[in-house]
Amino acid sequence: GAVVSQHPSRVICKSGTSVKIECRSLDFQATTMFWYRQFPKQSLMLMATSNEGSKATYEQGVEKDKFLINHASLTLSTLTVTSAHPEDSSFYICSGAEGEKLFFGSGTQLSVL
Amino acid sequence: SQQGEEDPQALSIQEGENATMNCSYKTSINNLQWYRQNSGRGLVHLILIRSNEREKHSGRLRVTLDTSKKSSSLLITASRAADTASYFCRPFGNEKLTFGTGTRLTIIP
Repeated sequence: GAVVSQHPSRVICKSGTSVKIECRSLDFQATTMFWYRQFPKQSLMLMATSNEGSKATYEQGVEKDKFLINHASLTLSTLTVTSAHPEDSSFYICSGAEGEKLFFGSGTQLSVL
Repeated sequence: SQQGEEDPQALSIQEGENATMNCSYKTSINNLQWYRQNSGRGLVHLILIRSNEREKHSGRLRVTLDTSKKSSSLLITASRAADTASYFCRPFGNEKLTFGTGTRLTIIP
């Protein structure tokens, strides 16, 4: 099946710094990518939908200036958590759509100190 | 947005037993997909059943779909320790979709 590579898998940063998470579709072109956030033992919360070459669509309650999404090519989408704070600590996951199916990255555990 | 609701929220069974989990949804769909998530990992697509199908098999997985009741079930036969994970259903239609809270399956060796 299709593969989505997500990096880094784990990042620890100081409060106030910015963190970039990359998501690459390795063997398919993902015109649409989704970014999720997940708290322990809870479901995925859709944060935003990014389409190649256009602005991302953010879900209600998600600050677009804090969670910057760039989808500059058909195989790469990035999520930048700007000026991270401890409450941003969470598990972030991306997924790319190929047809009707979603293929997920392995996730990034962000810990903000 | 539509999401599937999985039931039960948690399930613990002995290794070798069968595990059944259910999914309910609210609007019309084109297909329904099941995903598995191991702890601290992304989701993995398991199986897709189309709206005109009633049952589908893949290895030890058996999925049923009842569009009249807007429900689906996932059966894992002869469970193994490696099946311990959370399982999510994803009803796929024309709406923007999210995921439910999933069923946390624990296989006891």
